Amino acid sequence: QSALTQPPSASGSPGQSVTISCTGTSTDVGGYNYVSWYQQHPGKAPKLMIYDVTKRPSGVPDRFSGSKFGNTASLTVSGLQAEDEADYYCSSYAGSNIRVFGGGTKLTVL
Amino acid sequence: EVQLLESGGGLVQPGGSLRLSCAASGFTFSSYAMNWVRQAPGKGLEWVSVIGTSDTRTYYADSVKGRFTISRDNSKNTLYLQMNSLRVEDTAVYYCAKERDLLRFDYWGQGSLVTVSS
Repeated sequence: QSALTQPPSASGSPGQSVTISCTGTSTDVGGYNYVSWYQQHPGKAPKLMIYDVTKRPSGVPDRFSGSKFGNTASLTVSGLQAEDEADYYCSSYAGSNIRVFGGGTKLTVL
Repeated sequence: EVQLLESGGGLVQPGGSLRLSCAASGFTFSSYAMNWVRQAPGKGLEWVSVIGTSDTRTYYADSVKGRFTISRDNSKNTLYLQMNSLRVEDTAVYYCAKERDLLRFDYWGQGSLVTVSS
């Protein structure tokens, strides 16, 4: 049950796009299409942004998109806005009813 | 409106026990798996445990297996986490989260802080 690997930080200017990676193994990210992404603002509970690798819950802007290639999933935020500044966490199913999170990425809007 | 409200956190000595509760409302509690996820101060999210719609299917992270027990009372719309043999490294904000589908944690509580310290 090892944590998924995310870069500690990412940044971009307003209007730009930024992509956050989430690297696992063939027994978690690479083995299942069950990857989700969560946004967390300081002092707040996490919020679901992407599930099933690419799907967006209602109410989440289409500026947020997800993808996966092999053992690495990615979250792309297009048209960066100030309110996108937050911590982002990926999560994956790891088989045998186990879930695992990534270490988190702090997104800074410059 | 879906609401998840955790309670029961506090300060406990190493080796002690604590029981967290998560009161659910606004949805059919008995129809969804429920999870506990924790976050140590200044750190990332860590999945702790999941329970299926009944009480029979429970699963744990290796870091808490044998010490923590997840349970639910569908008649009271409440999720529990019994934490025994607590360690300093268990200090965290504990969130309960509704799992609409596999890995789709669509609602989260506000969190309950557990501090393990002498």
